[in-house]
Formats: sequence, structure tokens, C-alpha cells
Amino acid sequence: DAGVIQSPRHEVTEMGQEVTLRCKPISGHNSLFWYRQTMMRGLELLIYFNNNVPIDDSGMPEDRFSAKMPNASFSTLKIQPSEPRDSAVYFCASSLAGQVGSPLHFGNGTRLTVT
Amino acid sequence: SQQGEEDPQALSIQEGENATMNCSYKTSINNLQWYRQNSGRGLVHLILIRSNEREKHSGRLRVTLDTSKKSSSLLITASRAADTASYFCATLDQTGANNLFFGTGTRLTVIP
Repeated sequence: DAGVIQSPRHEVTEMGQEVTLRCKPISGHNSLFWYRQTMMRGLELLIYFNNNVPIDDSGMPEDRFSAKMPNASFSTLKIQPSEPRDSAVYFCASSLAGQVGSPLHFGNGTRLTVT
Repeated sequence: SQQGEEDPQALSIQEGENATMNCSYKTSINNLQWYRQNSGRGLVHLILIRSNEREKHSGRLRVTLDTSKKSSSLLITASRAADTASYFCATLDQTGANNLFFGTGTRLTVIP
């Protein structure tokens, strides 16, 4: 079982550039979550999808952030334009919807640095 | 905010000792989960306890839940150096929404 796969593992970019983070959930999982982790704010839920449909995006900080899930096996989180305060580790996680509160399976994250 | 608070923020013990971490939360919950995070890695699910359960065991892990006090504890017995990690509690509220709210974490260091 491959687990949740995120790419890239590290991303360094300059302020103002577009950043795209990618996630492949575990096959058969139909809930997908994007989290952001910083020392100051801990783990924050940005958005989650059920069956490829965004359910709650209230955690998305600004219009500069957008997320898509075009199919059951792929999701992207895009930041355009990026700012230094977006520097964080971004995690994708998946779980089985229909089992409320079922455990999340996390990827190893993308460490984003915006200079 | 539903976000849980772990206590202590950091804990350092000798190998073989027991480690106890506590979690407090604010709202009524459906279940509470504990996760572990090694440095540079994603979180890994350890154990889930439902709101109608008071205690649960899994290997060297023991979790308790007191819904009247809105608190939970995670006990790791006979700790090992490999248990060094950050531990987070996460709560699922009763609204039916399938999103977990994570606490701030306890950084556990087990000294060999």
C-alpha cells in the first residue's frame, strides 16, 4: 500500500511566484484534506473534499489559495501569488468518507519556503 | 475554536519510564484520536476513542477519556528511544462534519 503521496517534498520560491502542491490519496479513500503546519499556529485545516467535492474551505486563508480535486486520485493546492508568510509545511491526508471520524492517513508533507 | 490543548508542551524521560500526555478540548465530541509525528514526517494515527468509551488500550498505549471534564490522556508504558516524537490529540465534533481539529502537540523525548 503506497500511502498518501505528496510532491514536491521541498519547494523554495520567491515572493510573487505561483506554487502548486500535489497530492495522491490512498486508493479507495474518498475524503481528502489539506492541512498547513507552522510553529506558531500548529496544524490548520485548509480545505477538505468528499468524493472530489469541496465540503469546507473556510480554512483557506485568502483568495490567493485555491484547491482542486479533478478526480479521485489527484488533488492540487495552489498559491498565487505566494508570500513569505505562506512558508509552512503543507500536508495532504485521506480517509474513508461514510465512516465519520475515521482515521486520517497523512502524506509526508511539502515544506514550502517563500523568500 | 475546538482546537485541543496538549499538556505538557514538552516532556523528557528516561527509557523504560512511562510517559503521560494530556489533552483538553472545548466542545462536545464524537470521538477523540491520538496521532504521532516524527520529525520531518506526516502524522500517523495511533488510537481512536469514542465519546461513549472511557478507556482503550493498544499495545503499550493506554488512552482515557473524561467527557465531563473534556479531557483525555495518553499513556505510553515502558518507553523506548524510538517513541521520541510529537504527539497530538484530535477531536471530531458532533456536527457530522468529517474534519478533525488538532491540538498543539506534546514533544516527547525519550533518553536512551
